[in-house]
Amino acid sequence: GAVVSQHPSRVICKSGTSVKIECRSLDFQATTMFWYRQFPKQSLMLMATSNEGSKATYEQGVEKDKFLINHASLTLSTLTVTSAHPEDSSFYICSAREGNSGANVLTFGAGSRLTVL
Amino acid sequence: AQSVTQPDIHITVSEGASLELRCNYSYGATPYLFWYVQSPGQGLQLLLKYFSGDTLVQGIKGFEAEFKRSQSSFNLRKPSVHWSDAAEYFCAVGARNNNDMRFGAGTRLTVKP
Repeated sequence: GAVVSQHPSRVICKSGTSVKIECRSLDFQATTMFWYRQFPKQSLMLMATSNEGSKATYEQGVEKDKFLINHASLTLSTLTVTSAHPEDSSFYICSAREGNSGANVLTFGAGSRLTVL
Repeated sequence: AQSVTQPDIHITVSEGASLELRCNYSYGATPYLFWYVQSPGQGLQLLLKYFSGDTLVQGIKGFEAEFKRSQSSFNLRKPSVHWSDAAEYFCAVGARNNNDMRFGAGTRLTVKP
């Protein structure tokens, strides 16, 4: 079945630095990928929709200059948390939709836990 | 706008007992409905989905869910719970031509020995 890989699974960084998280579709092409943020014991909140070859679409309240998304190929999307602060500490999850599938079935990565000191 | 409500934040059941997790949705058109399971520190795994057709859908790990349009519900059931079923369960709603889906707040399942 479809597999989505996220890297790194855990990252600790100092306040003010930038962190990049990768999301790869391993055995399928993903024209659309999604980035979510999950706080402890809470649901997933959609941050942005990443479309290959075009600008990401951000949800209301998500700072696009803070959370840079790049979807340069059909198998890779990256989320960069710029000038990270402790309040950015969270669990970030990506998902991908295979090609032009109209069935809207998403495959999720295992998530990346970011801790900002 | 679409939304999902999972009324139960936390449910505890004994191993071997039956389970039902509730999900209610709000959506203007025909919804695509999903149940996902998340183990601690992990991503989400799809248990089952409903797009159309038979309103009782079978999923993996012995789970099933029933779509009831009149009640705007998509409750998840399992006849006999195993200790390995302890996890967080999320109901989600999407649309065929939408790119995103919306998740409920989740229900945490604890299984007693």
